[in-house]
Amino acid sequence: KQEVTQIPAALSVPEGENLVLNCSFTDSAIYNLQWFRQDPGKGLTSLLLIQSSQREQTSGRLNASLDKSSGRSTLYIAASQPGDSATYLCAVCAGFGNEKLTFGTGTRLTIIP
Amino acid sequence: DAGVIQSPRHEVTEMGQEVTLRCKPISGHNSLFWYRQTMMRGLELLIYFNNNVPIDDSGMPEDRFSAKMPNASFSTLKIQPSEPRDSAVYFCASSQAGFTSTDTQYFGPGTRLTVL
Repeated sequence: KQEVTQIPAALSVPEGENLVLNCSFTDSAIYNLQWFRQDPGKGLTSLLLIQSSQREQTSGRLNASLDKSSGRSTLYIAASQPGDSATYLCAVCAGFGNEKLTFGTGTRLTIIP
Repeated sequence: DAGVIQSPRHEVTEMGQEVTLRCKPISGHNSLFWYRQTMMRGLELLIYFNNNVPIDDSGMPEDRFSAKMPNASFSTLKIQPSEPRDSAVYFCASSQAGFTSTDTQYFGPGTRLTVL
């Protein structure tokens, strides 16, 4: 059974700093890995999707990397802003034809102005 | 597009009552997902449909839970009878499944269910 872990559960950093969020998964046979953002009381918004054949994806100040063999992914946020404060969840997709996502428990990020 | 629409946004009911949650996926999407989110267990997939057919219902906790998708634009998740441990936020999501691995899921705002 796939297990996804995110450490730390919470993180606070001063505005302007670069930061890295971590995600690890137990079964390396994944189809893709996604990073989502969740604001309080809201649904999830997809940030980045990395295919199993890719090593990284970038969108603006966000960069996600994937190392399937070690079962790890990171989300790098450059020049953090207070608007980046949210919970970040990673999720792995089991395989082609099976869209089931297994989510981590998330990292609650607070950017201090 | 209005995005994924869920109703109601909040539901408070008493133990033993029937609860029905509703979802309208994004037009043109052919996969629909129901998730439950709690502090203790995080975000869990309950069931997902592809082309209105249930594909994986292994996450449905027990027979008290049932889900239907009578057409491409509507789905329901029913709990009967409800119990206090069913209190959670229930999310619906949809995607355009295809033969690429770039099909992300779009989430609705969720229904916060409280069972007293």
